[in-house]
Parts: sequence; C-alpha cells; structure tokens
Amino acid sequence: AQKVTQAQTEISVVEKEDVTLDCVYETRDTTYYLFWYKQPPSGELVFLIRRNSFDEQNEISGRYSWNFQKSTSSFNFTITASQVVDSAVYFCALSRGFGNEKLTFGTGTRLTIIP
Amino acid sequence: NAGVTQTPKFRILKIGQSMTLQCTQDMNHNYMYWYRQDPGMGLKLIYYSVGAGITDKGEVPNGYNVSRSTTEDFPLRLELAAPSQTSVYFCASSKGNIEQFFGPGTRLTVL
Repeated sequence: AQKVTQAQTEISVVEKEDVTLDCVYETRDTTYYLFWYKQPPSGELVFLIRRNSFDEQNEISGRYSWNFQKSTSSFNFTITASQVVDSAVYFCALSRGFGNEKLTFGTGTRLTIIP
Repeated sequence: NAGVTQTPKFRILKIGQSMTLQCTQDMNHNYMYWYRQDPGMGLKLIYYSVGAGITDKGEVPNGYNVSRSTTEDFPLRLELAAPSQTSVYFCASSKGNIEQFFGPGTRLTVL
C-alpha cells in the first residue's frame, strides 16, 4: 500500500524567511511519481511539480525548490524568501507507474506567511 | 479552453436525498477522477475512469456511483445522502502520469 506523510500540520513564518515543507512517502513500487500541489484560500488545487522515481535531480523554479531523496523516501519542498501569496495548504502526493495514475495524497501542510 | 468544470459550486441536501455532481473536461483526457476533501484532510479518491465506459472504485466509494458514457463527462451520483458525505468534492482529469487538472470543487452539506 502507498502512503504519504506530511508531519507538519501547520507552519507560520515571517515574510522573507525560508521554509521547508516535509514529505515522506512509502511505496513498494520501483516506478512511481511524486507531486506537489498548492491549495490557496480560494480552494482550487494548483499543480506545482511532478517527479518520477528515476530522476533524483533537485529542481529549482524561481523561489521554489524540491529535494528528492530516495534513500530517505523524502520529497521536500523549500520556499525561499517567502511571500504572503505563498500562504496556502500544500499537498504532497504519490502515484504508481504508468497505467495506475491514482494519486495518494498526504494530509497537507498549512503554511501561513506573516507580513 | 475551460479545463475541468464542475457544477454546482455549492449544494445543501437533506438526509436521504439524492443528487448528481457534474464534471466536464474539454482537454480530451482519458483519465478522470473524483476526490473528496474533508476538513483538515488530504484528498481521498472516490472513483476513477481510464476511458469512456470504464470505471473503478477508489479508496472511499461507498454511497457513490459513477458513469462515463463520453470522454468529456464523468458525473458522480450520491444516493441517499448522509451527513458523513458532507465534504468538498473535486473532479480531475489527466492524460496519465503527468499532472492532474482539478476542477474548482463542489461544496456539499448534508443536513
């Protein structure tokens, strides 16, 4: 069975601070995909990134970066120089390989950026 | 290109009533999904479909039914609504293991 754990329920940081959101996953598959989604206060779900299990390269997109480590089954998300607009609930999710695309979500981390 | 649309946005049901949540996508995606999100929780998969005429249960299918007669539409049917079905329902579609595109959600309250 697959499982995604986001142990941080809520995080608050002051604007411009860096913040890391943790994601630990469990799967028996050798091929799988990891995702991060953002849910702002308006409620929609916004895709941020997808990573496959064969690509452990870290990724940076502007102020966002992701650290994928298979050795620790983690896929952590860092926001650098946080802004108020980053306030949202962030979900980490896991799916199996091609042909089985169902997402297993973590319970989310609510991030509040204090101006 | 509207993406994934859901109707209605809000609905209040009485216990025992039935309703259908509508979901339509215009991206020609084969895969479609229904999730529910309870307060403070992640999304849980109710049903999914890999193409027209093919559906399968997800993690929490009890109390729901689906059909997929066309590529575009994937309605979710609630029979005999119960307070435990109070939730926000999200429909999503994808081409496979790329991103899933989510609709805006339907907030359902069962009283």
